[in-house]
Amino acid sequence: GNSVTQMEGPVTLSEEAFLTINCTYTATGYPSLFWYVQYPGEGLQLLLKATKADDKGSNKGFEATYRKETTSFHLEKGSVQVSDSAVYFCALAPRGSGTYKYIFGTGTRLKVLA
Amino acid sequence: EPEVTQTPSHQVTQMGQEVILRCVPISNHLYFYWYRQILGQKVEFLVSFYNNEISEKSEIFDDQFSVERPDGSNFTLKIRSTKLEDSAMYFCASTTRQESSYEQYFGPGTRLTVT
Repeated sequence: GNSVTQMEGPVTLSEEAFLTINCTYTATGYPSLFWYVQYPGEGLQLLLKATKADDKGSNKGFEATYRKETTSFHLEKGSVQVSDSAVYFCALAPRGSGTYKYIFGTGTRLKVLA
Repeated sequence: EPEVTQTPSHQVTQMGQEVILRCVPISNHLYFYWYRQILGQKVEFLVSFYNNEISEKSEIFDDQFSVERPDGSNFTLKIRSTKLEDSAMYFCASTTRQESSYEQYFGPGTRLTVT
């Protein structure tokens, strides 16, 4: 079946530190992969996506590369800001299996300290 | 930029009561979804809806739940007799095409508290 595994949080970093949030997946076929962000008190916002192997999604300084060989989609940012404090969700959308529901990871809470 | 809206933002209800959560998807979208997130847990799929029919539902979506698109704009989730364990954030989502590469757009959520 389809599943997403994210690193446990919370992750606490100082401002300008490098961020990595690990995400690995299990899927039949080649899904599309997404990172969503949930700021305090708000809903889910799409941060970036990649729809095929070796694609790199990027937005607001965040990047993630779709690695088929390691079934991973790790989120990175070179220099985090306090405003990046949020919960980050990795998700996959299956392809070719007749289902279109998103499968989400458990979410990783990021706290950035000034 | 078009967005999915949801009302109310917070609903408090007593156990056994019926609740209706409302969503207005993006206007040219054809596929609609409900997900829920119990506090501290992952976001879970409930149901997908297209052409006035349920296209897929999860085990969570039992007979207590129903969805409807009563007019051309609203998409509702009804819980007939709420239980304490229905307390969660409920997200509506929509998309133009039901394909893996087309992202789903999520609303801000309705926090349902059952007492």
